[in-house]
Amino acid sequence: GQNIDQPTEMTATEGAIVQINCTYQTSGFNGLFWYQQHAGEAPTFLSYNVLDGLEEKGRFSSFLSRSKGYSYLLLKELQMKDSASYLCAVKVNTGFQKLVFGTGTRLLVSP
Amino acid sequence: GAVVSQHPSWVICKSGTSVKIECRSLDFQATTMFWYRQFPKQSLMLMATSNEGSKATYEQGVEKDKFLINHASLTLSTLTVTSAHPEDSSFYICSAFASGRGETQYFGPGTRLLVL
Repeated sequence: GQNIDQPTEMTATEGAIVQINCTYQTSGFNGLFWYQQHAGEAPTFLSYNVLDGLEEKGRFSSFLSRSKGYSYLLLKELQMKDSASYLCAVKVNTGFQKLVFGTGTRLLVSP
Repeated sequence: GAVVSQHPSWVICKSGTSVKIECRSLDFQATTMFWYRQFPKQSLMLMATSNEGSKATYEQGVEKDKFLINHASLTLSTLTVTSAHPEDSSFYICSAFASGRGETQYFGPGTRLLVL
């Protein structure tokens, strides 16, 4: 089976740093993605990790440890517009490649 | 990035009617497209994988006779919700991998379905 866990909700204040964790147990692993989704909109791509380590992209960074089945998304210098849901997704190959999404984390950034 | 469109963006229908949602890859060809459903405050749930020129692969628990998928060309997949009921009201999103444009899936803008 496929199991991807994230905290349901997180809150943080503007300008702060927040870390959103994701743990996974999947049959196969071809990479891990983080997406941002604002209410009523489609997800937008944030980051992709396939090797262990940290990938930095501006205010956002993503870390992966394949041996631990663990990833996190780090958001720095939080802005109000960062209030959204953050989805962790693992690419698996079950005859064809597909994404399995985690439960999603709703982040609320307050002034 | 690659562009995926969906039509319609929202639809309201009466219970018992059928609704067709189109998903198009505008600037790339997609042999495989994915259909997701998302209920309020929940994550995306994969319904089925649409394969060009062959039958769709449905996830466990998804009724293939209720959610008809057709992938007739490399740029178009359709999802038809047959005999829709209020519990089918949801946000339906399609996506595709764009070969040669990175590893990510590109998502359409979604279709909000409300069944009265």
